[in-house]
Amino acid sequence: DAKTTQPTSMDCAEGRAANLPCNHSTISGNEYVYWYRQIHSQGPQYIIHGLKNNETNEMASLIITEDRKSSTLILPHATLRDTAVYYCIVRVRGGSEKLVFGKGTKLTVNP
Amino acid sequence: DAGVTQSPTHLIKTRGQHVTLRCSPISGHKSVSWYQQVLGQGPQFIFQYYEKEERGRGNFPDRFSARQFPNYSSELNVNALLLGDSALYLCASSFNRDTFNQPQHFGDGTRLSIL
Repeated sequence: DAKTTQPTSMDCAEGRAANLPCNHSTISGNEYVYWYRQIHSQGPQYIIHGLKNNETNEMASLIITEDRKSSTLILPHATLRDTAVYYCIVRVRGGSEKLVFGKGTKLTVNP
Repeated sequence: DAGVTQSPTHLIKTRGQHVTLRCSPISGHKSVSWYQQVLGQGPQFIFQYYEKEERGRGNFPDRFSARQFPNYSSELNVNALLLGDSALYLCASSFNRDTFNQPQHFGDGTRLSIL
């Protein structure tokens, strides 16, 4: 499984952009990068995913480097409700759809 | 539209008992996966079921089993409960089995506590 490396924790001021980095240097050419977040006592929430092009949706933007060895999740205007653990996952293609979660980044948005 | 629903939300059992957890996927989704999340860790994959057949299994003992029904709902069974089975059990659904260009959607889980 391609491994990911994320900082353990980050802080961000409310209203500012939150930029969450992820390294995935062993990613294969046909593996997608997924981002989920988990707010306390809830299940993981899907945010965004991409293969090699930058992606944007109503929640966030995903920037993937040209060599695909790293990516950044951007929350453009962080709110207090964005405080959560953010997981960067490389989607393993194979016989099952399993997602391999690491420990993620605990993002704290401060007022 | 309803998301993934799991029941019960909380459960307390004692060592040696067995437990059955239930999951209803998003309407139209045919694949269900189960994950275990112990405190302070990310979720760990247990099973995937698609079209009522097991399509993937994580590194869990045979005390863990699951099945999927014709309506695509699923049950996770755990026998001979141990203290270490205390965790949040998550169910996730997706439309297909191996379309890795689509997300899995999670329920809010069942919190299982073993005394």
